Amino acid sequence: AQSVTQPDIHITVSEGASLELRCNYSYGATPYLFWYVQSPGQGLQLLLKYFSGDTLVQGIKGFEAEFKRSQSSFNLRKPSVHWSDAAEYFCAVGAGNTPLVFGKGTRLSVIA
Amino acid sequence: GAGVSQSPRYKVAKRGQDVALRCDPISGHVSLFWYQQALGQGPEFLTYFQNEAQLDKSGLPSDRFFAERPEGSVSTLKIQRTQQEDSAVYLCASSFHYGTPEQYFGPGTRLTVT
Repeated sequence: AQSVTQPDIHITVSEGASLELRCNYSYGATPYLFWYVQSPGQGLQLLLKYFSGDTLVQGIKGFEAEFKRSQSSFNLRKPSVHWSDAAEYFCAVGAGNTPLVFGKGTRLSVIA
Repeated sequence: GAGVSQSPRYKVAKRGQDVALRCDPISGHVSLFWYQQALGQGPEFLTYFQNEAQLDKSGLPSDRFFAERPEGSVSTLKIQRTQQEDSAVYLCASSFHYGTPEQYFGPGTRLTVT
């Protein structure tokens, strides 16, 4: 069965510190992988995506993610977090133009 | 418009009432998806259209839920005889289909059943 695991429910980081949000997936075929961000009361905004090729992908707002097939992981990173990055982050997996399977999300808090 | 729009943004319904939630996808997007997001959870798939054809409705939780997209553009999700467990945010997403498959989400409709 297809599934996405985000092991960390809530992470708190200091402004300016680096960030890594973990995502592990289970998928039968070669997956398409996504990270979305959701601010309170808002919809989901696409941060970045991986389809094929270079396993390190760059996204908006200074985020990047690395696909590791051997570990079935697609972790999200940012070298220096800003207070405006506080939000809920969702990892998702799909194949082609099909419904996405989401993780339960990681809530990021940023402290001064 | 520039993005996916949904209306209403907030809906309060008394238990037993029927509700209709609207989604306007990005112009030219062939595929349209509905997801349900319970409080503190990730979105979960409900149903999916390609143009006007409903290709998958396996995620609809009961026969009280019905979705349509009669002209292949605007979609409506209808919930009959609402129950408290229907309280959630309902998200709509669209994708171009013939290009890369990323989905673009609307702001959602928060449904509260009292």
